Amino acid sequence: GQNIDQPTEMTATEGAIVQINCTYQTSGFNGLFWYQQHAGEAPTFLSYNVLDGLEEKGRFSSFLSRSKGYSYLLLKELQMKDSASYLCAVRDPKGKLIFGQGTTLQVKP
Amino acid sequence: DTEVTQTPKHLVMGMTNKKSLKCEQHMGHRAMYWYKQKAKKPPELMFVYSYEKLSINESVPSRFSPECPNSSLLNLHLHALQPEDSALYLCASNAPNTGELFFGEGSRLTVL
Repeated sequence: GQNIDQPTEMTATEGAIVQINCTYQTSGFNGLFWYQQHAGEAPTFLSYNVLDGLEEKGRFSSFLSRSKGYSYLLLKELQMKDSASYLCAVRDPKGKLIFGQGTTLQVKP
Repeated sequence: DTEVTQTPKHLVMGMTNKKSLKCEQHMGHRAMYWYKQKAKKPPELMFVYSYEKLSINESVPSRFSPECPNSSLLNLHLHALQPEDSALYLCASNAPNTGELFFGEGSRLTVL
């Protein structure tokens, strides 16, 4: 079966750091993706991890531990425009991307 | 060109209408996808085309009919839809090296 868990909602303060966790149990693994989606818009790609470790891209970093079935997305120096939904997605060996339910992040002044 | 273009952006149709959603990409990607997204829910996979052949159909009702005329185009033909089919329909294409999905802006469909 496929199960991807992430918190439903999070709130953080402008300028702070926030970590969004994602745990997964899937039949096969071929990479983990994080997407950002603003209300009414299409998802946009943030990061991709296929090997264990940390991938850094500007204010955004993503970490993967395959043995633990765990990933997190770290957002630094939060800005108001970072208020959005963050989707964790796992790609299965057939190439299908399976999305978690998404975490709605609200950044407050 | 790193865009996936979808038309129309908004569509309102009755349950007896026939309409089509269109998607186009010129990135040379050979896999293209249709996803359906309801409000506050993640995208749900509907169809996958790989090298212009339908490779995955996620048990989608036959009132949705996909078509891939060539490697750059993907259509979704709609007929006899139900109000519960109202949603954002997202097209995506797949970068071969990373598997990253590039999404279009979506077509917001309302069925009356």
